[in-house]
Amino acid sequence: NAGVTQTPKFQVLKTGQSMTLQCAQDMNHEYMSWYRQDPGMGLRLIHYSVGAGITDQGEVPNGYNVSRSTTEDFPLRLLSAAPSQTSVYFCASRPEGYGYTFGSGTRLTVV
Amino acid sequence: GNSVTQMEGPVTLSEEAFLTINCTYTATGYPSLFWYVQYPGEGLQLLLKATKADDKGSNKGFEATYRKETTSFHLEKGSVQVSDSAVYFCALSTGTASKLTFGTGTRLQVTL
Repeated sequence: NAGVTQTPKFQVLKTGQSMTLQCAQDMNHEYMSWYRQDPGMGLRLIHYSVGAGITDQGEVPNGYNVSRSTTEDFPLRLLSAAPSQTSVYFCASRPEGYGYTFGSGTRLTVV
Repeated sequence: GNSVTQMEGPVTLSEEAFLTINCTYTATGYPSLFWYVQYPGEGLQLLLKATKADDKGSNKGFEATYRKETTSFHLEKGSVQVSDSAVYFCALSTGTASKLTFGTGTRLQVTL
C-alpha cells in the first residue's frame, strides 16, 4: 500500500489563479478529509467525505471545492487563490472504527 | 462546539527526562481522543488513541489516559530520546463522520 498520496508537494500560485490539489489512497477507506495547517492554529478541517459521492463542509470551507467520484480520490480545488490560502494542506483517510492516516502534505504559497 | 487546548511550547528536555504534555478538551457527546506526532517535513502520524473514559492508549513508550472527570488526555513518556523531537497534537473526534478537532500543537525538543 502506498497509503495517502498527495501531489504536488510544493506549489506557488499567483493571486486569482486556480488549481487542484490531488489526494489518493489505496486502502479502500471510506472516510477522507482535507485539513490546512497554519502556525499557531493547529489543523483545521476544510471539507470531508464519508464515501464516494458524499461530501460536506468543515470548519473553513470558503474558497475551496471538493468532489468524491471514486473511493480512492478526493481532490481539493482552489477556485481563485488568495494570499490567505497560503498554508500546508493535508489529506487524510480512515476506515470505519480506526484513526486517520495522513498524507505528507502540500505546501502552497499564494503571492 | 468542540475544542482542544494544549500546553504551549516549545518544551525542551534533556535526553532521558520525563515528559508530560497537557491536553484538555470540551466536547458534545462522548469523544474519542488522539495524540498525533509530526516529524519535521512530514505528515501527521497517529501515536495513540482512547475511545472511552479510563482507557489508556500507549505506543512507543508514550501513554495517555482518558480522564472524563477532568476532561483531560495528558501525554506522558518516562524517558525521552532525541528521536522524539517533533510536534505533538492532541485531537478529538465525535459523531459518525469522526471529524477531528486539533489542538494547536506542542513542539518538543530533546537535547543530549
